[in-house]
Amino acid sequence: NAGVTQTPKFQVLKTGQSMTLQCAQDMNHNSMYWYRQDPGMGLRLIYYSASEGTTDKGEVPNGYNVSRLNKREFSLRLESAAPSQTSVYFCASSESVAGGFTDTQYFGPGTRLTVL
Amino acid sequence: DQQVKQNSPSLSVQEGRISILNCDYTNSMFDYFLWYKKYPAEGPTFLISISSIKDKNEDGRFTVFLNKSAKHLSLHIVPSQPGDSAVYFCAASDLNDMRFGAGTRLTVKP
Repeated sequence: NAGVTQTPKFQVLKTGQSMTLQCAQDMNHNSMYWYRQDPGMGLRLIYYSASEGTTDKGEVPNGYNVSRLNKREFSLRLESAAPSQTSVYFCASSESVAGGFTDTQYFGPGTRLTVL
Repeated sequence: DQQVKQNSPSLSVQEGRISILNCDYTNSMFDYFLWYKKYPAEGPTFLISISSIKDKNEDGRFTVFLNKSAKHLSLHIVPSQPGDSAVYFCAASDLNDMRFGAGTRLTVKP
């Protein structure tokens, strides 16, 4: 079991460029999440998905779009990257069937994104 | 607004002694609390959790205490080991939201 995998590990973008961060889990989990981590801020929830085909906004959704392609995969897209989106992005999954937050979340290793 | 606060950015303890990490929250709707541990260049890993109906939960060397009236929780590690050196995040959740603290970097010295 690979758990939660994320690609790429590192990415440098120029302002205005677009990119998609990929996330996949092999634990048959129902819920998936995207977070960003900034220095001194802890992790902040961007979007989450309780099941295939459903997505909900988290604390900081502006500037991002997500797609729950199937049960395994949950992608995060930056349509027009800005320097304020420089961060480390973590994907997570859990068994939660209602998109709740009381089940243990399993995190991927992260994607370090720099926007120049 | 930071609904979950970890006021100590860092903590250093001697191997074998107790480590106490603290966390405060402001939203009284939070009813589930978790601690995650993070090593450099890795994602956070779950450590221990507690429901709001309890005031204590133990798992081996790790104990989490919850004081609902004070909106405060703490993580005790006894005895501390060098391998415990990591960043510890506290998190609070309800049905629709999860908020993390900024983390406390624990260093356990041999």
